[in-house]
Amino acid sequence: SQQGEEDPQALSIQEGENATMNCSYKTSINNLQWYRQNSGRGLVHLILIRSNEREKHSGRLRVTLDTSKKSSSLLITASRAADTASYFCATEETSGSRLTFGEGTQLTVNP
Amino acid sequence: ETGVTQSPTHLIKTRGQQVTLRCSSQSGHNTVSWYQQALGQGPQFIFQYYREEENGRGNFPPRFSGLQFPNYSSELNVNALELDDSALYLCASSLVAGGQETQYFGPGTRLLVL
Repeated sequence: SQQGEEDPQALSIQEGENATMNCSYKTSINNLQWYRQNSGRGLVHLILIRSNEREKHSGRLRVTLDTSKKSSSLLITASRAADTASYFCATEETSGSRLTFGEGTQLTVNP
Repeated sequence: ETGVTQSPTHLIKTRGQQVTLRCSSQSGHNTVSWYQQALGQGPQFIFQYYREEENGRGNFPPRFSGLQFPNYSSELNVNALELDDSALYLCASSLVAGGQETQYFGPGTRLLVL
């Protein structure tokens, strides 16, 4: 069964706008990760945030984690058409263990 | 890109048949995990192998089995295929060494069961 839920399920924006995706989960975690997937291909790791961290940046990506609310958000700034993909959050309960994925957000960036 | 490869890329089987999917991990990675991703859903954990031993299993029946070899390759075997086994199968390798291990995914094998 899926650990969490992502919202929205689908998001359509114009190039240059910011995109925000949210993820909720149910259990205690060691870390939360965000992945990107293009057209049903393999998953590309974007960013990992540890349970004792609240915010992390990587290029145009900003991730927040609120363990009290069991939620995370991924912000992509200044979006590009090439950012069009599905984005998944995944939690890891202990280091090196299984990843539990959400259902994903389909992001479409219109040129 | 990730150094993890999978074969074949696509496969068509009929119900009741058996299938073997293969994965080649990054050199030095001691852990491989397999995931099943149905169309429109997030990946679901099948099992994980650490140093050639099963190290955790998801909610999948015993007809899903695996092997991990010393040369960083691994296999996922599925017996008695069912229509619902049609999915993208992903393997991911990592080096478990007590820190925050990133799992690196292969491109997947798309299996269609008719």
